[in-house]
Amino acid sequence: KQEVTQIPAALSVPEGENLVLNCSFTDSAIYNLQWFRQDPGKGLTSLLLIQSSQREQTSGRLNASLDKSSGRSTLYIAASQPGDSATYLCAVRPYDFGNEKLTFGTGTRLTIIP
Amino acid sequence: GAVVSQHPSWVICKSGTSVKIECRSLDFQATTMFWYRQFPKQSLMLMATSNEGSKATYEQGVEKDKFLINHASLTLSTLTVTSAHPEDSSFYICSAQDSGVEKLFFGSGTQLSVL
Repeated sequence: KQEVTQIPAALSVPEGENLVLNCSFTDSAIYNLQWFRQDPGKGLTSLLLIQSSQREQTSGRLNASLDKSSGRSTLYIAASQPGDSATYLCAVRPYDFGNEKLTFGTGTRLTIIP
Repeated sequence: GAVVSQHPSWVICKSGTSVKIECRSLDFQATTMFWYRQFPKQSLMLMATSNEGSKATYEQGVEKDKFLINHASLTLSTLTVTSAHPEDSSFYICSAQDSGVEKLFFGSGTQLSVL
């Protein structure tokens, strides 16, 4: 059974700093990995999707990396802003044809201090 | 980008009543939708996979008679919480896959509070 863990569970950093969020998964047979953002009481917004054959994806100040063999992914946020405060979730999709189920991590609650 | 509309965003009901939550894909067709449940400060737990035109597939431990799922069209899935009790109070989120981009798009969620 796939298990996805995110460390740390919570993180507070001053505005402007660069930061890294970590995601680890136990079964490396994945199809892709996604990073999501969730604001309090809201749904999820997809930030980046990395296919299993890719090493990283970038969007603006965000960069996500994937090391499938070691079961790890990182989300790098550059020049953090107060608007980045949210909970960040990673999720993996298994490498089963037609299986679109995602297993979510426990999330990292990020607070950017102005 | 693709949009998934979930309604209502919040609902308060009395114990024993039933509540229906709708999930619509607005600009794409979704043969498969997913329903998740999220407790405070916890991650999303998949409840069931909703398949258009067929029965939903429930995850282990999820009561199918309590959480009725109907996926009557390629753009609409509904989750009905039957005979709701306080322990059913939770945040429910749906998602739908746009097969053209291989991304899952999520609804804005429904906060259910059962008194």
